[in-house]
Amino acid sequence: NAGVTQTPKFRVLKTGQSMTLLCAQDMNHEYMYWYRQDPGMGLRLIHYSVGEGTTAKGEVPDGYNVSRLKKQNFLLGLESAAPSQTSVYFCASSYGMWGTSNENYGYTFGSGTRLTVV
Amino acid sequence: AQSVTQLDSHVSVSEGTPVLLRCNYSSSYSPSLFWYVQHPNKGLQLLLKYTSAATLVKGINGFEAEFKKSETSFHLTKPSAHMSDAAEYFCVVSAYGQNFVFGPGTRLSVLP
Repeated sequence: NAGVTQTPKFRVLKTGQSMTLLCAQDMNHEYMYWYRQDPGMGLRLIHYSVGEGTTAKGEVPDGYNVSRLKKQNFLLGLESAAPSQTSVYFCASSYGMWGTSNENYGYTFGSGTRLTVV
Repeated sequence: AQSVTQLDSHVSVSEGTPVLLRCNYSSSYSPSLFWYVQHPNKGLQLLLKYTSAATLVKGINGFEAEFKKSETSFHLTKPSAHMSDAAEYFCVVSAYGQNFVFGPGTRLSVLP
């Protein structure tokens, strides 16, 4: 089925460890996003990409890096994990920028990665 | 700048009774508005969207929402709740060229 796939689904890290979260979409969407979800705060944008080879900072970028080497993949990296990065991470993609276009509004979300940093 | 307020963090209804989840927004531009639903341990699924066409928007699973510009509201309703509606619901505002802004979410519980 077409959609957004995130790996891994769950991960426990020790403080200071590094890891990479992978997001893959097969809808040929130009725009991709990484969000984190924390209780009572909705989703907050970490980084986003407007096309292959591009990345930009969102609302809460500190402590994260991203890369978009291929159009279908958007990677989120944590170089030195901290307990404050314990969260659920969602990747999303869209046809138009910020999910707006004349043809297909909205985002398609992955199922999330639950990350715990101890 | 844009913002979203979801007036209730938790709503509890009995099965078969109406559902009302409230959302107010602030936007400097003509906004697009969305409702997303998140079932436990799942990703977010689009319920419905308003994009400057009809102000009463119908979505999936019997949900609908009405855009009221004068009240800056986009409340989500359903005539009769089902057990499977128990989930977290997010109101989202977006204006052209602006980031999606998510509300904090409303958890809906449906009692048998």
